[in-house]
Amino acid sequence: SQTIHQWPATLVQPVGSPLSLECTVEGTSNPNLYWYRQAAGRGLQLLFYSVGIGQISSEVPQNLSASRPQDRQFILSSKKLLLSDSGFYLCAWGPGAGEKLFFGSGTQLSVL
Amino acid sequence: QKEVEQDPGPLSVPEGAIVSLNCTYSNSAFQYFMWYRQYSRKGPELLMYTYSSGNKEDGRFTAQVDKSSKYISLFIRDSQPSDSATYLCAMTYNNNDMRFGAGTRLTVKP
Repeated sequence: SQTIHQWPATLVQPVGSPLSLECTVEGTSNPNLYWYRQAAGRGLQLLFYSVGIGQISSEVPQNLSASRPQDRQFILSSKKLLLSDSGFYLCAWGPGAGEKLFFGSGTQLSVL
Repeated sequence: QKEVEQDPGPLSVPEGAIVSLNCTYSNSAFQYFMWYRQYSRKGPELLMYTYSSGNKEDGRFTAQVDKSSKYISLFIRDSQPSDSATYLCAMTYNNNDMRFGAGTRLTVKP
């Protein structure tokens, strides 16, 4: 069966510091991978998605970037965090476009 | 107008009640419809997945899609305290940008 791992669960970072969140998927090959941010009462906002190694699509211009160095690894990064980057970040995978998504456990990021 | 509208609640019901959760949407191209359950500070968990219009039942959960009205529903029968969570509707049209509702917070009281 497929599983998705996301870490860390909680992260407190000072403004201006770098960020690296990692997500890995097991039990499937060539998954579509996604990074979402969830703000309270506002639903999920798609940040990045990837259909293959090195292929990244950005949905929202911002202070963040994503990379996919391996088939089942997806990384969310920032060189300098802003206060507005605080939020609940979710990694997800799906078998293909338009199909169901399976989410990781999320990372609560607080930028202070 | 938001592409997906979902009443945020909160919704509070007694144990054993039938719960009805709803979303409306504006994009008639949506074909795939989902309901997710999310516990506090956890990732969303897929509950129901339907394609196009119709009903789908899984245990105590029933999902309904009415594409003519652009309206989807999730019914929970015999609700339990463990059903207390936020429920998110989601939909897409065969692309990589799934649209989510803001979520309805449900509390089932013993």
